[in-house]
Amino acid sequence: DAKTTQPTSMDCAEGRAANLPCNHSTISGNEYVYWYRQIHSQGPQYIIHGLKNNETNEMASLIITEDRKSSTLILPHATLRDTAVYYCIVRVAEGYSSASKIIFGSGTRLSIRP
Amino acid sequence: EAQVTQNPRYLITVTGKKLTVTCSQNMNHEYMSWYRQDPGLGLRQIYYSMNVEVTDKGDVPEGYKVSRKEKRNFPLILESPSPNQTSLYFCASSLRMQGQRTDTQYFGPGTRLTVL
Repeated sequence: DAKTTQPTSMDCAEGRAANLPCNHSTISGNEYVYWYRQIHSQGPQYIIHGLKNNETNEMASLIITEDRKSSTLILPHATLRDTAVYYCIVRVAEGYSSASKIIFGSGTRLSIRP
Repeated sequence: EAQVTQNPRYLITVTGKKLTVTCSQNMNHEYMSWYRQDPGLGLRQIYYSMNVEVTDKGDVPEGYKVSRKEKRNFPLILESPSPNQTSLYFCASSLRMQGQRTDTQYFGPGTRLTVL
């Protein structure tokens, strides 16, 4: 799986959009970008994933650059409950023959200030 | 309710005393995995299983064993625990089907293990 690079920490004002970047310059054509978050030692929680098109769900939006070498997770109206560590990972998502190791990395610690 | 459960949630043990951490999922997921999480190191994969009787090593398998005799359960076994295995452990599962593009992982609540 491709390695990802994320800032160690970020902060954002409550009610504003939080934009979390992720670099994955060695991503392969069949690898998806996934985002998870972990709130204070709880089990990580899935947020969103995408291949090359931008994606949006009830939690967040995912913007993937045209060359797929980077992406941005957007939390449109951050709240205090969004304070967590956010992990960006890339991995193949179909086919038994593909590698199934998952590498999480250190993530970005997002702090939402009142 | 769809969930991944782990037991125990907290465990303090001594070096060399065999222990098993259980993991069970009720979503009929094919893929299951174990992670450990340590300060500054993020989540590291220990073992994973693609299906019943199919298991493989992750990034940090030394000192651990797993088994997958039935689809819903994926126990993590520490035959002779050592202090460097003190960590927070997470089990996860996901639905993997040939040709399907869905691989969202669902994580359990975690097991905090201390080996003295």
